[in-house]
Amino acid sequence: NAGVTQTPKFRVLKTGQSMTLLCAQDMNHEYMYWYRQDPGMGLRLIHYSVGEGTTAKGEVPDGYNVSRLKKQNFLLGLESAAPSQTSVYFCASSLGGDGANVLTFGAGSRLTVL
Amino acid sequence: GQNIDQPTEMTATEGAIVQINCTYQTSGFNGLFWYQQHAGEAPTFLSYNVLDGLEEKGRFSSFLSRSKGYSYLLLKELQMKDSASYLCAVRDSNYQLIWGAGTKLIIKP
Repeated sequence: NAGVTQTPKFRVLKTGQSMTLLCAQDMNHEYMYWYRQDPGMGLRLIHYSVGEGTTAKGEVPDGYNVSRLKKQNFLLGLESAAPSQTSVYFCASSLGGDGANVLTFGAGSRLTVL
Repeated sequence: GQNIDQPTEMTATEGAIVQINCTYQTSGFNGLFWYQQHAGEAPTFLSYNVLDGLEEKGRFSSFLSRSKGYSYLLLKELQMKDSASYLCAVRDSNYQLIWGAGTKLIIKP
């Protein structure tokens, strides 16, 4: 069972370039999330999805777009990368969004924007 | 605003016991989670508390006091592999997870 798979694991971009982070889960989870993790700060929610075809903004959505065309996939796009977007990005999924629903995380994608 | 406080770093000795505290101020409360994150890896689920009291799971226990906005994670019989960051997260009234910055636990032989 693969769980949550993120690609790529590492990427270096120049300011202004675009890229897409891919997230795939094989657990039939309804909810999917994109977080960023920066030193000294808690995980911050960028965007999330409560089901196929839906997306919603989280705490820090500016500069990012997402799509959930298939239930198992959640894509995070950066249209014009900025140095402030240098971070480790984690995708996660859960069966539901309330109660004891546990998040399963991917291994992370480390992005550096020069 | 919503806030979760945890100590930044703690050091303990192999075989000992350590308690990692978490205090929170959130808009409502729908449960508190503890996750473990080894350096360079993904967070993994440790425990969930929604009612006051102690939940025990092997060497790890988690306590919650909703009236005090307080939780702790207790790790017994510490092993070197317990060296990791421990993340506290609270689900608020909108069911959003609010995350603390994490406590880096260093285990010394």
